[in-house]
Amino acid sequence: QVQLVESGGGVVQPGRSLRLSCVASGYTFNRYALNWIRQTPGRGLEWLAAISVDGTATNYADSVKGRFTISRDNSKNTLYFQMDRLTVDDTAVYFCARDFGFWGQGTLVIVSS
Amino acid sequence: DIQMTQAPSSLSASVGDRVTITCRSSLPIGNALAWFQQKPGKAPQRLIYTASNLQAGAPSRFSGSGSGTEFTLTITGLQPEDFATYFCLQHSRYPPTFGGGTTVDI
Repeated sequence: QVQLVESGGGVVQPGRSLRLSCVASGYTFNRYALNWIRQTPGRGLEWLAAISVDGTATNYADSVKGRFTISRDNSKNTLYFQMDRLTVDDTAVYFCARDFGFWGQGTLVIVSS
Repeated sequence: DIQMTQAPSSLSASVGDRVTITCRSSLPIGNALAWFQQKPGKAPQRLIYTASNLQAGAPSRFSGSGSGTEFTLTITGLQPEDFATYFCLQHSRYPPTFGGGTTVDI
């Protein structure tokens, strides 16, 4: 069965960086685009980024464009999310998702001094 | 960006009730709409895709309808395990956008 498992969340100071990972299993990884989505109690669900099957095409929400980078390693069945210049507003649970039909369990990122 | 307006934001219902949740998009999106259920501490689970197609494994008491700008999720015969929060998502154009959510409680 399809499984997505995120990791890499934690507590980080404003202005610092964090890299999230999402390991996929149960399907042919390089046949599907992938997304990062985050959720906060105040702002709800927010799509952040998407990447094509081969990693050559990406899209970003304006809120993270230029600060966050989505990438993938098809040889490792892994999706990444490099988050730079973090702010307190980036505090959220971060999910990876395959075509919105399959989601990971989420990883919590807290940006705080 | 396309705005998704979901209503109501919360509702109270009883087991066996018929529940209707609506989403309205600020621009036409065809049938590029999905509905999700989320329980506390869990990831959203897709119930409906392309507006009216039941996700494999989702109970048949869930149904979706609509196209263009008006969409509806209906739960016919609410069950105890259906008390949760429901979201819509448009994926017609970037960026994909979610509705604000509807919490269904007792």
